[in-house]
Amino acid sequence: QQQVKQSPQSLIVQKGGISIINCAYENTAFDYFPWYQQFPGKGPALLIAIRPDVSEKKEGRFTISFNKSAKQFSLHIMDSQPGDSATYFCAAGGDDMRFGAGTRLTVKP
Amino acid sequence: DAEITQSPRHKITETGRQVTLACHQTWNHNNMFWYRQDLGHGLRLIHYSYGVQDTNKGEVSDGYSVSRSNTEDLPLTLESAASSQTSVYFCASSEWRTDTQYFGPGTRLTVL
Repeated sequence: QQQVKQSPQSLIVQKGGISIINCAYENTAFDYFPWYQQFPGKGPALLIAIRPDVSEKKEGRFTISFNKSAKQFSLHIMDSQPGDSATYFCAAGGDDMRFGAGTRLTVKP
Repeated sequence: DAEITQSPRHKITETGRQVTLACHQTWNHNNMFWYRQDLGHGLRLIHYSYGVQDTNKGEVSDGYSVSRSNTEDLPLTLESAASSQTSVYFCASSEWRTDTQYFGPGTRLTVL
C-alpha cells in the first residue's frame, strides 16, 4: 500500500507565483521528511528536509510546513521561477524511506 | 569529491536473461539503497543494506537480489529479467538510516 500520498500529480504556475505541493503519510514511526527535486535525466537531489520536532523550516524560497497531528506536510515554493520546473518528490523516513508518486511542476515565464 | 556512480547508464536485454546493475559510492556510507522509478509510482524501494553483509528486502523485491561484500558497492541482480522490470533504476547512499540520501544518475533498463 502507498504509505506516502502526494498531490497534485502536476502543477502549472506562473513565474513569480507560489507553488504548493502536499503530502500525507500513514506511519507515525516516520521521523524524517525530505523533499527531493529531480530534473529530466538526473537522479533526485535533496531540496529541503524537516524532522517532526518543528512545524516549519525555511531555506531561501523553499518552505516545509509540517502538521504532525494531521500527518501531513507540504512544500511551498515562493516566487517560483522557470528554473524550478522539475519533478518534486516528498518522502518519509523511518526504518527505510518511502516516496510519494511525484509532482511535475511547470513554471511558465 | 565524493560521488555515487551507476553502470551501465543504459541497458537493453531479453526476457529471461540475468542482468546485473552496478552501484559504487565513494562517500564511505554504510547505508545503500536501490529504487526503481516508474511513471505514477515515484520511487519504490527494491533492496537496501545497512552495512557489509547486511541486505534487506524493500517493497518491490521480487525478482531482484543484492549482495554487499564491501562498503563501496551494492550490485543489483535481476535473476531472470521480465518485461515488467523495464524501468529506471536508481542507487542511493546515506550516512545515517534516516538522513539525506545521495542518488546516482540512474540506469535505464529495457527488457524486450
